[in-house]
Amino acid sequence: ILNVEQSPQSLHVQEGDSTNFTCSFPSSNFYALHWYRWETAKSPEALFVMTLNGDEKKKGRISATLNTKEGYSYLYIKGSQPEDSATYLCASWGPNYGGSQGNLIFGKGTKLSVKP
Amino acid sequence: KAGVTQTPRYLIKTRGQQVTLSCSPISGHRSVSWYQQTPGQGLQFLFEYFSETQRNKGNFPGRFSGRQFSNSRSEMNVSTLELGDSALYLCASSPKGTQGALVYGYTFGSGTRLTVV
Repeated sequence: ILNVEQSPQSLHVQEGDSTNFTCSFPSSNFYALHWYRWETAKSPEALFVMTLNGDEKKKGRISATLNTKEGYSYLYIKGSQPEDSATYLCASWGPNYGGSQGNLIFGKGTKLSVKP
Repeated sequence: KAGVTQTPRYLIKTRGQQVTLSCSPISGHRSVSWYQQTPGQGLQFLFEYFSETQRNKGNFPGRFSGRQFSNSRSEMNVSTLELGDSALYLCASSPKGTQGALVYGYTFGSGTRLTVV
């Protein structure tokens, strides 16, 4: 069974701090890695979809990198703002990697709180 | 463009009852997936429907079932409710089925919060 692990579980930072989170996943038969942002009382929102080893994606102050050989992805937030407060989820495709019957397996998320 | 709509938003049921949750995907999206979130757990995959067919199923008991209609709207049913079924149920849609979700990601609804008492 595929396990997707995220660390840390929660993070408290001050406005203006830069921060990063880790997502680890089995590296064998990798297919895709997704990052979602989930604000309280809202729907999870897709941030990045990454498929290639060495992929780097950026959206504003948020960026992500992917290492499929060692099975990890980092999400970076530069100059955190209070509106960045949310739970950040990563998800990897499994258990039938590469097949049409796969589904996303989610980690438990990293909850970020940014204090003004 | 309307997002993914889930109804109802909140539901309270008694043990032993059954419940039906509804999900209307984004117009043009033919794939609908359902996830359960309980405290301390990540999103757990329930099932995926594409063009009225169940394409994939997670590791949940047979009390959990679903279906999809010709307009891509999906319903999820839980029979003989147990206290442990209390959770947030999210549905997500994607274009072009499974491959679409893989490439474009999911669009999630706001969820239905089910409380079993």
